[in-house]
Amino acid sequence: AQRVTQPEKLLSVFKGAPVELKCNYSYSGSPELFWYVQYSRQRLQLLLRHISRESIKGFTADLNKGETSFHLKKPFAQEEDSAMYYCALSGPGNTPLVFGKGTRLSVIA
Amino acid sequence: KAGVTQTPRYLIKTRGQQVTLSCSPISGHRSVSWYQQTPGQGLQFLFEYFSETQRNKGNFPGRFSGRQFSNSRSEMNVSTLELGDSALYLCASSLRTSGGGEQFFGPGTRLTVL
Repeated sequence: AQRVTQPEKLLSVFKGAPVELKCNYSYSGSPELFWYVQYSRQRLQLLLRHISRESIKGFTADLNKGETSFHLKKPFAQEEDSAMYYCALSGPGNTPLVFGKGTRLSVIA
Repeated sequence: KAGVTQTPRYLIKTRGQQVTLSCSPISGHRSVSWYQQTPGQGLQFLFEYFSETQRNKGNFPGRFSGRQFSNSRSEMNVSTLELGDSALYLCASSLRTSGGGEQFFGPGTRLTVL
């Protein structure tokens, strides 16, 4: 069964410090992985996906198939990065998107 | 394009009542999924509809049901409400014809059960 694990419920960092939000997945095939973000009082929105290999708002995420991880990283945290972050996995065929339980990032000024 | 819309935005009900939530997907999206979001459990998948057919169902009791109409609009219903049903219910639509993929989320309906 597909499973996504985000080990940290809450992560607090100082402004300007590096950020790494962890995501591990359980899936035997080739997954499609996403990071979604939910800012305060805003709807959940896609931040980035592993297929595009792009950097959004300074965030990057690399798929490591050997470690079955898709950690989200940013070299210098900003206060506006404070939000709830969800890692999600999409399997093959008609399977639904599976989300982790989320990590709340708090950037302290 | 207009985003995913959900109505109502807020609901207060009492135990034992039933409730119907509505979702209008992005134009052209035929896949609609529903999620329950709570602080303790995060996002839990309820069900997914595609072309008026339920394609996937999460691990929720039969009190939770849904349907999709020919215009892709979807409704979910919760009968015999319990206190634990208090949550933010999110609807998401997708352009993908198979499951999963990028989902576009609505603002949610905040349900409070007293």
